[in-house]
Amino acid sequence: QKEVEQNSGPLSVPEGAIASLNCTYSDRGSQSFFWYRQYSGKSPELIMSIYSNGDKEDGRFTAQLNKASQYVSLLIRDSQPSDSATYLCAQGASGGSYIPTFGRGTSLIVHP
Amino acid sequence: DTEVTQTPKHLVMGMTNKKSLKCEQHMGHRAMYWYKQKAKKPPELMFVYSYEKLSINESVPSRFSPECPNSSLLNLHLHALQPEDSALYLCASSQAAGANQPQHFGDGTRLSIL
Repeated sequence: QKEVEQNSGPLSVPEGAIASLNCTYSDRGSQSFFWYRQYSGKSPELIMSIYSNGDKEDGRFTAQLNKASQYVSLLIRDSQPSDSATYLCAQGASGGSYIPTFGRGTSLIVHP
Repeated sequence: DTEVTQTPKHLVMGMTNKKSLKCEQHMGHRAMYWYKQKAKKPPELMFVYSYEKLSINESVPSRFSPECPNSSLLNLHLHALQPEDSALYLCASSQAAGANQPQHFGDGTRLSIL
């Protein structure tokens, strides 16, 4: 069974710091990974997709993928209180399956 | 605002009522999904439609009945729900079902069963 593991947190960082969110996965066959941000009571919002080993940067966000070690991370630079949310890591469907796998999410709190 | 539109945003219904949730996307996506999400839990997949055909039913009780009238619309018909069915119901779409496709979520319908 495919699993995506995340520390539920909360991860607390001061405003302006780098927040580092981590995720490990069990299925080596997946080629795609996604980070979603979900504010309390709202729906998940796609913020990053990553398909290749290495880093992918988009503004203050950097996603990192290491397929050999089976982990994905999300770095948020210059964290703002508005970044406070739950961050869901998701592994794309693989092996002919239509079913993506979500981690349980990490709660991030950025305090002023 | 998201490109996947769900209505209604909130729904309160009794256990004997029949209601429907609606979802619409105009991104040309050919895969659509229904998820159920409880507080502090990840989304839980219910159904997957690919090219307007039901591809996945994750052993969902028959009191939930999905329908895909066309490639842009997805409905979820509700009947005789239980209090434990109270949750946030999310619709999502992707270019195609399968690998390498991120999902785009609607704002969800907050469902409360009395």
